[in-house]
Order: sequence, then structure tokens, then C-alpha cells
Amino acid sequence: RKEVEQDPGPFNVPEGATVAFNCTYSNSASQSFFWYRQDCRKEPKLLMSVYSSGNEDGRFTAQLNRASQYISLLIRDSKLSDSATYLCVVPVGGSQGNLIFGKGTKLSVKP
Amino acid sequence: GAGVSQSPSNKVTEKGKDVELRCDPISGHTALYWYRQSLGQGLEFLIYFQGNSAPDKSGLPSDRFSAERTGGSVSTLTIQRTQQEDSAVYLCASSYGQGAHGYTFGSGTRLTVV
Repeated sequence: RKEVEQDPGPFNVPEGATVAFNCTYSNSASQSFFWYRQDCRKEPKLLMSVYSSGNEDGRFTAQLNRASQYISLLIRDSKLSDSATYLCVVPVGGSQGNLIFGKGTKLSVKP
Repeated sequence: GAGVSQSPSNKVTEKGKDVELRCDPISGHTALYWYRQSLGQGLEFLIYFQGNSAPDKSGLPSDRFSAERTGGSVSTLTIQRTQQEDSAVYLCASSYGQGAHGYTFGSGTRLTVV
């Protein structure tokens, strides 16, 4: 298994839809995780952290399934402005500065 | 500063020339990271610094690439004898400690080798 794997998409959804992305990781010792958002031709920006109990921020919910080694991001009531690439980020410790970035899942929200 | 600052924002250079890319991290951030991203691709790790030391340089693509960090602050990524395949966006990020709260990225340097 690759260190971090994501479905590249694209996910094409209408406004108002609920969409979910999963990300699998290989390092079972990983502790804290993140979702980043990257807009076209922009730098990645931290969307939310994902801790053991999961967390919710408005329309966004992130969850961790440690037994199956995956994290998920749920977006409710999608907005046009949610269109972006969502990067799953997993800590590995040691090399590469401790965080491994997935290649991202592209979301396109249509009117 | 308030954010991670990178310069230049855009750089066009001729094949074979050397370039220097600069990153000024958030004040107080001990860790600094360099990535590059080719068009439509994911982030490619290059190197990271903890203070002025680089524990892992394995991501540097070739010996034409080098980086240094001085005073635990500003970092410079140098690419010698640039090739067309070096064209990409070079992103710098910084964090407190080991990045337990994530990284903050700069807006990148778009390098085009012609």
C-alpha cells in the first residue's frame, strides 16, 4: 500500500449535494491527520485537522477510522466555492518533515 | 512576518542558468519545508530543515539542487544549470516543531526554464 492514497476524482456534484472523500494511509502509528484545500494555481491551505474523535466545522466533517487506516472528509450543502482539490495529509515521523501529502481529490461543484 | 513569504513569485530563466529561490518563514517557526509541484501533479517533497539542519535531503532530485537555511529563519533553494524539467511551482512551508498543527505554505515561486 502506498503511504497515502486518494481517489483523484474528479467528483462532479450539483450545488447543495453532499459529497465524501476517503483517504487511506499505511503507517499505523500515525497520530494526527489533516485535510488541506488547494485552489487552482494556488498554494495548499489547511482546511481542518483530524483527531481521534473526528471533528466538525460548519458544513465540513472529518473522521478517522484507525482500525481500517482511513480518514474521510464530508462536505454537506456543497457550494460553488467548494470547488478545489482536497489533499489528505498524514504524519509519518522522521523523514520528509513528518507529513506526507496525498495527490488530492478534485471536486467540481456545478450550478 | 504574518505569513510565509517567497520570492520571486515568478522566474523565467534560460536553460543552463542558475537560480535562487528564497523563503522567509513565519517568525518563530523552527521547521521549514521545500516542495515542488508540476502542472496538474501532486506535491513533491524536496527537503526540510529543523533549525539550520536538514535531517532529510533525499527528496532533492539531483546534485544540481541545494538548499540552506541560516539563523533558523530564511532559506534559499538553489538550482544550478537549470533544465526544462525543473519548470514547476516551488512551494515553501513552515511549522512549529514537528508540524503537529500542520504547515503553512507560501504562495510559491513559479519557475519557467526556456
